[in-house]
Amino acid sequence: RKEVEQDPGPFNVPEGATVAFNCTYSNSASQSFFWYRQDCRKEPKLLMSVYSSGNEDGRFTAQLNRASQYISLLIRDSKLSDSATYLCAYPGTYKYIFGTGTRLKVLA
Amino acid sequence: ETGVTQSPTHLIKTRGQQVTLRCSSQSGHNTVSWYQQALGQGPQFIFQYYREEENGRGNFPPRFSGLQFPNYSSELNVNALELDDSALYLCASSLGNPGLYNEQFFGPGTRLTVL
Repeated sequence: RKEVEQDPGPFNVPEGATVAFNCTYSNSASQSFFWYRQDCRKEPKLLMSVYSSGNEDGRFTAQLNRASQYISLLIRDSKLSDSATYLCAYPGTYKYIFGTGTRLKVLA
Repeated sequence: ETGVTQSPTHLIKTRGQQVTLRCSSQSGHNTVSWYQQALGQGPQFIFQYYREEENGRGNFPPRFSGLQFPNYSSELNVNALELDDSALYLCASSLGNPGLYNEQFFGPGTRLTVL
């Protein structure tokens, strides 16, 4: 089993829609998790951290389900500018362990 | 902008050649991590440098090597380039081991193409 698994997508959604991505992880000892946003051919940028049950920032909500070992990212009222790849990650020893990312396309 | 810079932005090499990529960390950050991101994949950890020493290494062969300088900037060297080395190479800086309380900041990356 991969350490971090994500559905690669793409998720094609209309503007204004609500969309959710899941990310499953194998290391039950992991305490904190991250969602990164990566635009095409650019570096990943931190979107949100999750270290307890959840975190909310405007239209974005991240939740952690330790029992089932997954984290989710919910985007409400999608904007065209939300189109990007969303990577989940958690810190291992010396490094971050990333999933392959989920592509989101928000359509006009 | 994160303050992490990388050079060059793009590079084209042929198989068997050697390449050196450079990274300047954010001011005050003493730890530099290097990642390789192939197309359609997430970043894969290559190694980390802390106080000029390699502090951890991912599953990459010895032809991937690095350096960190007293000003915390870093180099990634790849010898005997292979086609599969074509990727975006990301440098990330942090204050100590990256984690919940030590965010790591990525540079813009160097896109390497091996022909």
